[in-house]
Amino acid sequence: AAGVIQSPRHLIKEKRETATLKCYPIPRHDTVYWYQQGPGQDPQFLISFYEKMQSDKGSIPDRFSAQQFSDYHSELNMSSLELGDSALYFCASSSPEGSTAFFGQGTRLTVV
Amino acid sequence: QKEVEQDPGPLSVPEGAIVSLNCTYSNSAFQYFMWYRQYSRKGPELLMYTYSSGNKEDGRFTAQVDKSSKYISLFIRDSQPSDSATYLCAMSAGTGGYQKVTFGTGTKLQVIP
Repeated sequence: AAGVIQSPRHLIKEKRETATLKCYPIPRHDTVYWYQQGPGQDPQFLISFYEKMQSDKGSIPDRFSAQQFSDYHSELNMSSLELGDSALYFCASSSPEGSTAFFGQGTRLTVV
Repeated sequence: QKEVEQDPGPLSVPEGAIVSLNCTYSNSAFQYFMWYRQYSRKGPELLMYTYSSGNKEDGRFTAQVDKSSKYISLFIRDSQPSDSATYLCAMSAGTGGYQKVTFGTGTKLQVIP
């Protein structure tokens, strides 16, 4: 069965650079969530989209922005990267019929 | 106070032991309760989910929900070294439209051969 696809799987950027993370939800899923997980930390909710509109906002820095496109894929744009942005970034998706979220394998961002 | 509180662990048990993982929550609107298993550097994998109060069993795993006490548990019978992972509880308010999933902090489990 198709799962949530995230790309790239690994990304290395320098401080002050920009990064774009992509998430392709499971087909027919209309909700996408973004989470950040630092080393040894639980996933922290960043932002979510439902039917291409922002539906909820968590602890997302102002330097980050995201959107959901007409095909329901989502992109997380991160600018002016800082060392502290190094983390695993997970995307999850859910459908209107379901109440659970399914996660991708994550993008490991390293800022050097 | 966090909406979802999870016993921090870490938890270390011998192979074959029964493991009990627990979470409490404060939001009475939560109706769907999930358990995710996360291996190191991997995405959380949905292990089980239940609706409202009651029990659900799947092989060696049993999920319990007590909505009156706002308390959920995951039991692992005959634990195996391959069960060593971080277990995250998660909850959402329901179906239809947008439903945010709220996570616990995770319990790291180590099963010793």
